[in-house]
Amino acid sequence: QKEVEQNSGPLSVPEGAIASLNCTYSDRGSQSFFWYRQYSGKSPELIMFIYSNGDKEDGRFTAQLNKASQYVSLLIRDSQPSDSATYLCAVGGGNRDDKIIFGKGTRLHILP
Amino acid sequence: EAEVAQSPRYKITEKSQAVAFWCDPISGHATLYWYRQILGQGPELLVQFQDESVVDDSQLPKDRFSAERLKGVDSTLKIQPAELGDSAMYLCASSLDISYEQYFGPGTRLTVT
Repeated sequence: QKEVEQNSGPLSVPEGAIASLNCTYSDRGSQSFFWYRQYSGKSPELIMFIYSNGDKEDGRFTAQLNKASQYVSLLIRDSQPSDSATYLCAVGGGNRDDKIIFGKGTRLHILP
Repeated sequence: EAEVAQSPRYKITEKSQAVAFWCDPISGHATLYWYRQILGQGPELLVQFQDESVVDDSQLPKDRFSAERLKGVDSTLKIQPAELGDSAMYLCASSLDISYEQYFGPGTRLTVT
């Protein structure tokens, strides 16, 4: 059973600080990794995707992938109250037909 | 910007009744997904289509749920009869192809009374 694990939180971070969200996965052959943001009562919104080891930056967001350690993280710089949401990690398998598995999400609370 | 469309946005139904949800994916997206999400949980895949073909429905309760994507474009998910435990958010997503990033519609909030 392929699994994607996230700390459920809540993770509380002061406004302006860096929020760090982590995700581990069980399938060593996984090739695609996604971060979604979900506000309460709304549908998930794609923030970042990463396929290669290392860092990928987009504005205030940085995704970090370490396939050897089987974890992927999301850093949010200069955290804003509007970043308060649940962040879902999703991982795709190594085969084309493998379905994407979602974690249960981490609740992030930015303290004004 | 292209979006995934879903309707209705909200649905209240009594148990044992039939209910149907509709989804129109982003134009050109071959892969369409139906998810169910219970509060505090991640999305759970119910069914995945590649064009008009089902490629994964292993988690779909086939005794009461059905899904179709007849022309490989829009899709319908049906529940008959609805049960109290079906109350959840039903999400549709689409992607250019399998394993590409998925884009979600606004979802349908189902309440079964």
